[in-house]
Amino acid sequence: AQSVTQLDSQVPVFEEAPVELRCNYSSSVSVYLFWYVQYPNQGLQLLLKYLSGSTLVKGINGFEAEFNKSQTSFHLRKPSVHISDTAEYFCAVTLSGYSTLTFGKGTMLLVSP
Amino acid sequence: DAGVIQSPRHEVTEMGQEVTLRCKPISGHNSLFWYRQTMMRGLELLIYFNNNVPIDDSGMPEDRFSAKMPNASFSTLKIQPSEPRDSAVYFCASSPSIVSEQFFGPGTRLTVL
Repeated sequence: AQSVTQLDSQVPVFEEAPVELRCNYSSSVSVYLFWYVQYPNQGLQLLLKYLSGSTLVKGINGFEAEFNKSQTSFHLRKPSVHISDTAEYFCAVTLSGYSTLTFGKGTMLLVSP
Repeated sequence: DAGVIQSPRHEVTEMGQEVTLRCKPISGHNSLFWYRQTMMRGLELLIYFNNNVPIDDSGMPEDRFSAKMPNASFSTLKIQPSEPRDSAVYFCASSPSIVSEQFFGPGTRLTVL
């Protein structure tokens, strides 16, 4: 079975600074990878996804993620964050064509002025 | 499309009462998922359906919890009797297939006194 590890439960950053949220997965077979964002008092919203092709994936709100098969990672990055990016971010994985999504425990991004 | 619709958005009830949460998935989606989110346990998958058939209910915490999907456009999650530890935000999500990205509803915040 696949699993997802988000090592950082909380990441505090200042506005306009770059940020990287880490995600590692464990699977011996091909996977699909996703990042979701949850703003306060809302449901989860898809930020971006990797299914195949280019390992650099661009999503909404200026976020991007890079799939690294050798390191089994799918880290999320943004070059300059805004206060409005304050939210919880979830990484998720599914075995390509075989299983439902498995979510990580989430990383709370706290952006301060 | 209106997205996934959940009702009610907020529910406050007393211990021992029956609670019914409702979900209308996105039209054309074949899979439906029920999740529970708490600070302590994070996001937990309770049960999911494919083509209205329950596939995996191993996440349902106790026999007090039950879920149905009588047709492709409606699902319910019932708790009877409810207990204070059931207090959480319950999310419904739908997707075109079990392995596709999931689209989340806004959630129902349940408080059991």
